[in-house]
Amino acid sequence: DVKVTQSSRYLVKRTGEKVFLECVQDMDHENMFWYRQDPGLGLRLIYFSYDVKMKEKGDIPEGYSVSREKKERFSLILESASTNQTSMYLCASSLYFGQGAYEQYFGPGTRLTVT
Amino acid sequence: QQPVQSPQAVILREGEDAVINCSSSKALYSVHWYRQKHGEAPVFLMILLKGGEQKGHEKISASFNEKKQQSSLYLTASQLSYSGTYFCGTEGFESSEKLTFGTGTRLTIIP
Repeated sequence: DVKVTQSSRYLVKRTGEKVFLECVQDMDHENMFWYRQDPGLGLRLIYFSYDVKMKEKGDIPEGYSVSREKKERFSLILESASTNQTSMYLCASSLYFGQGAYEQYFGPGTRLTVT
Repeated sequence: QQPVQSPQAVILREGEDAVINCSSSKALYSVHWYRQKHGEAPVFLMILLKGGEQKGHEKISASFNEKKQQSSLYLTASQLSYSGTYFCGTEGFESSEKLTFGTGTRLTIIP
């Protein structure tokens, strides 16, 4: 079974702190994604990566950065956390087939609260 | 731009049928469907590729009308286990590997 794990289920941080959210997948997937999920807004893509050290902006990248130094690990960084970044963060991974998106496997999510 | 899902929420009794629609303003290469149960991660249901194919397994099926840029998910004879929020994810021709998800349809099945 594909497994996508996230470092924390719940996280509470203060405004202005630097926050790291970690995601690890164990199926050798090329693609990895970070989404945030808010009530009524669905899943919105923040960043994704299709290879080590490669990244592309999603629909809402402002205030976030990412790092992918190893194939299995994809980190989401909030350089200076703000209260409007309080949300559920979901990581996902998928295989790369070169043409078209393939099914994504999601982690359990990290509920981040910024106070 | 996010695809539009309808309805936003629906309540059904066990055994009833449901249809969830997903409509996009752009041409689509594929449509994906996921289900998320309360407190859990979204889980993949199926992919539909351009060509208007209909796919399904057991009592959950879907269609994709690429001309209308729409997809519909059909749940037949719903079971309690079908409860959850259903998301469609759309892939355009310019954004391979990347999905844009709709805002979700919350389905509640009652005994």
